[in-house]
Amino acid sequence: IQLTQSPSLLSASVGDRVTLSCKGSQNINNYLAWYQQKLGEAPKLLIYKTNSLQTGIPSRFSGSGSGTDYTLTISSLHSEDLATYYCYQYNNGYTFGSGTKLEIK
Amino acid sequence: QIQLVQSGPELKKPGESVKISCKASGYTFTDYAMHWVKQAPGKGLKWMGWINTYTGKPTYADDFKGRFVFSLEASASTANLQISNLKNEDTATYFCARSSYGGFDYWGQGVMVTVSS
Repeated sequence: IQLTQSPSLLSASVGDRVTLSCKGSQNINNYLAWYQQKLGEAPKLLIYKTNSLQTGIPSRFSGSGSGTDYTLTISSLHSEDLATYYCYQYNNGYTFGSGTKLEIK
Repeated sequence: QIQLVQSGPELKKPGESVKISCKASGYTFTDYAMHWVKQAPGKGLKWMGWINTYTGKPTYADDFKGRFVFSLEASASTANLQISNLKNEDTATYFCARSSYGGFDYWGQGVMVTVSS
């Protein structure tokens, strides 16, 4: 399964509501997770099974979607959210998306 | 607390081999699978495969069949990645990651492998 993330680069201001998209080449059956990777760090699990928030992750992060289309939403952008975000499917094999780099204006 | 601690950076020449370790602590090693992820400089994440830490059976992604070997030292709660016949394109950071119910919940800090003549 191929995963296409859009946009590849997103520039937003602190306090903005931000939406990142991930589209699969086939039905993912909600087996989709989201990771945040800050520069020079290992990735961090944010969301699993489409909309389950990983322990310790702020509630401003949320996930939604079904079938082939999934979304990560940050309800109010914080400066520390500067990172690259990757979606990841584990329905059929394991695949990462190409990432969305989030910049703070 | 749960930790995955990986070995240090490596500088190798083309054709050489390298072995990277990932030592787990804070949980029962054999209860969770261990995955490996490659990240080339400035690039995204690429899933390499995983090893069943209970049986020792490895599974490799198509792009990582042949020169890549996952192994265990279960008594030491350690997973290893060995890459043989290194090529320039193997230059990357390699992460180990623990597989949980919905994703990779703990990651090693990553090991930078540089292949250069």
